[in-house]
Amino acid sequence: AQSVTQLDSQVPVFEEAPVELRCNYSSSVSVYLFWYVQYPNQGLQLLLKYLSGSTLVKGINGFEAEFNKSQTSFHLRKPSVHISDTAEYFCAVRNNAGNMLTFGGGTRLMVKP
Amino acid sequence: SAVISQKPSRDICQRGTSLTIQCQVDSQVTMMFWYRQQPGQSLTLIATANQGSEATYESGFVIDKFPISRPNLTFSTLTVSNMSPEDSSIYLCSVPRHTNTGELFFGEGSRLTVL
Repeated sequence: AQSVTQLDSQVPVFEEAPVELRCNYSSSVSVYLFWYVQYPNQGLQLLLKYLSGSTLVKGINGFEAEFNKSQTSFHLRKPSVHISDTAEYFCAVRNNAGNMLTFGGGTRLMVKP
Repeated sequence: SAVISQKPSRDICQRGTSLTIQCQVDSQVTMMFWYRQQPGQSLTLIATANQGSEATYESGFVIDKFPISRPNLTFSTLTVSNMSPEDSSIYLCSVPRHTNTGELFFGEGSRLTVL
């Protein structure tokens, strides 16, 4: 079985400040890792993904994430946030033995002017 | 990229009634997934719908409560039966982007409020 933990349910931050949204996972096998964003009243959109190779992955809208196998983490970062980044962010994991995505509880990023 | 259309986008329903949500994809896909997102919570997989076979339900979800149809490779429906206020959620349809990596495309969701 696999699970995903997003340690922060809400992250308030001022505009142009850096932000890190934390994600830890547990799985007994190799995994694929994803970050999705959900803007208010919209569906989910893929931000970035880690499948293999370089542990630092870059996504859309200036976001990046680093896969750390020893710490079983996949934290999402952005060096300077905008008001428009206000949304719910979900970390998700899929192991290489199945098709199902398991989602974390979500982190609400609130960017303040 | 797949385009997924869900209907209705939102609805307000009375307790004890049933509502069917439709999901239309602009390309043929083998697997379609139905997720539930309860207020302020994350996504939980309800079931996987494969064309030509019975849907596979996750623990805690049963066919009598959430019957699913999958008549062809571009369409599926999810019915929420005998609704109660606890069924107030966003229901999302999704399809794989690449079958070997697990990325999913999501519809915009159907927001149900049960009074």
